[in-house]
Amino acid sequence: GNSVTQMEGPVTLSEEAFLTINCTYTATGYPSLFWYVQYPGEGLQLLLKATKADDKGSNKGFEATYRKETTSFHLEKGSVQVSDSAVYFCALRTLRDDKIIFGKGTRLHILP
Amino acid sequence: KAGVTQTPRYLIKTRGQQVTLSCSPISGHRSVSWYQQTPGQGLQFLFEYFSETQRNKGNFPGRFSGRQFSNSRSEMNVSTLELGDSALYLCASSLGRRGRDLDSPLHFGNGTRLTVT
Repeated sequence: GNSVTQMEGPVTLSEEAFLTINCTYTATGYPSLFWYVQYPGEGLQLLLKATKADDKGSNKGFEATYRKETTSFHLEKGSVQVSDSAVYFCALRTLRDDKIIFGKGTRLHILP
Repeated sequence: KAGVTQTPRYLIKTRGQQVTLSCSPISGHRSVSWYQQTPGQGLQFLFEYFSETQRNKGNFPGRFSGRQFSNSRSEMNVSTLELGDSALYLCASSLGRRGRDLDSPLHFGNGTRLTVT
């Protein structure tokens, strides 16, 4: 079945460091890919998305590129801030399954 | 546009009791999905309702059930509560038209924190 694997956390970085959170997927068909973010005490909210190969999603300085050849959708940010501390979820959705499958989440701590 | 509203925010119940959680989706959204979030298991899909019909179901026991009303509001019920049911329960709404809206995201509420003692 479809699945999403993302790097285990927690990830701890200093402010202004470069961030990468790895995400790979297994899917039958051609999925749409998403990154969601969950701030403390809140539900998840969409951070960015990409719907076809080589698409780059971007928002709030975060980027992720849909790589079909490596089945990956890694999240990157050039300079993180303390306010980026949250849990990040990679997710996919296929036309066939028509439901969103989430990875286990990666907790990110940014130190001032 | 108002977001997804979940009530109550917090619940404390004892083992063996039952509980009902409520979710009001974004206006115009006909799909409502429910997830259980725990530190150990992450986000686990419970079920999805679309136009008052259960469309998808996760791997949870029959103690977990739900329904959707004609105004798209949804409720989730857990009967005979167990300690392991302690979790954050998240509801999400979307347009949800099958075979379409593939890149339409889920919009989540802030969840109901259930503690079973």
